Amino acid sequence: DTGVSQDPRHKITKRGQNVTFRCDPISEHNRLYWYRQTLGQGPEFLTYFQNEAQLEKSRLLSDRFSAERPKGSFSTLEIQRTEQGDSAMYLCASSLVGRGAEKLFFGSGTQLSVL
Amino acid sequence: QQQVKQSPQSLIVQKGGISIINCAYENTAFDYFPWYQQFPGKGPALLIAIRPDVSEKKEGRFTISFNKSAKQFSLHIMDSQPGDSATYFCAASSRGNEKLTFGTGTRLTIIP
Repeated sequence: DTGVSQDPRHKITKRGQNVTFRCDPISEHNRLYWYRQTLGQGPEFLTYFQNEAQLEKSRLLSDRFSAERPKGSFSTLEIQRTEQGDSAMYLCASSLVGRGAEKLFFGSGTQLSVL
Repeated sequence: QQQVKQSPQSLIVQKGGISIINCAYENTAFDYFPWYQQFPGKGPALLIAIRPDVSEKKEGRFTISFNKSAKQFSLHIMDSQPGDSATYFCAASSRGNEKLTFGTGTRLTIIP
């Protein structure tokens, strides 16, 4: 069990550029979540997947954001035409639903800075 | 809309003392209340969680107290240690882990 892996750990980009983050969940976990955390705040829910199906998206997820989880394994979060307000830590989490108590495991996040 | 209010924002406790962090919620549909611990540069890690059918849950040095009528819950860390220095977040949900609403966090510092 290597935990939830996120790549890259840090990303600096210029306003207007597109960025893509990757999340590799714990093997066999069927749920995958994306959260956003700004400095001094708690994580805010963005979206989640059950296997490859995206089941819910927050209103925080504007049309510039898109998330995918092809084949129900890793997931990508893409932000198009980045804005300075997108600067935040993007956290991925995974869990296994259906076998006992569900426990959520977070990765260490991708820190995005938009200049 | 902040549905989970957390206090204090920061807390300094002497080693061996009791650390207490409080949270209050508004949404009466919430039925799952976890606490997370986060170290710098890391993601949050689940510490302990409670459902409203019990008023208290204890795991080692960590205890959650839950008051359904007051819509409040708190985390108590007994015999606080320097290694407990971290940021703590309460959270709540009406659907398990599907859509957690987090508090704003408490930065805990344990001094010798």
